[in-house]
Amino acid sequence: KAGVTQTPRYLIKTRGQQVTLSCSPISGHRSVSWYQQTPGQGLQFLFEYFSETQRNKGNFPGRFSGRQFSNSRSEMNVSTLELGDSALYLCASSSSYYEQYFGPGTRLTVT
Amino acid sequence: KQEVTQIPAALSVPEGENLVLNCSFTDSAIYNLQWFRQDPGKGLTSLLLIQSSQREQTSGRLNASLDKSSGRSTLYIAASQPGDSATYLCAVSSGNTGKLIFGQGTTLQVKP
Repeated sequence: KAGVTQTPRYLIKTRGQQVTLSCSPISGHRSVSWYQQTPGQGLQFLFEYFSETQRNKGNFPGRFSGRQFSNSRSEMNVSTLELGDSALYLCASSSSYYEQYFGPGTRLTVT
Repeated sequence: KQEVTQIPAALSVPEGENLVLNCSFTDSAIYNLQWFRQDPGKGLTSLLLIQSSQREQTSGRLNASLDKSSGRSTLYIAASQPGDSATYLCAVSSGNTGKLIFGQGTTLQVKP
């Protein structure tokens, strides 16, 4: 079974721009969660989607949004990028009992 | 609000040693607890998942225990190897969802 894939792997953007990251879950997994990882804050939960509906949301500003498609693939969007948005963005999909399987991440650098 | 703490933040041991990594959480009403490994700049690899009704799980040289009442979990690594060098993260789920609360991790270095 293929693992969780994320595209692109690396991104460099300028302040004020917007960015869209993509995540393809393991086949059969319906839950997709997104996390932001920074050296200072560690791993923080952004949101979770299940069957195309946002089920949980972390404590991030409205500039961070996401969606899930009928094939369970998910995208997250960050608008009006700030320097502090530079981070590793990780996506995870869940099996039954919610064991989380993570993708390799997208490294976003905002200049 | 659930908080997860991992001690120590960093650990350096000689190859062959057995070692224990600690994780504590403030709210004992957890659904499950998961241990992960992360290599520098990479994603997370799931090591062990412990359901709230379980006391421990084992995989190869790894054994994880869970004591909900005291809010603690330990990850035991037997006969450590240089390839075990990585950051180990503990995370808890408080409900039947995909939301995990992570500790800050323990960075392990195993010296040959």
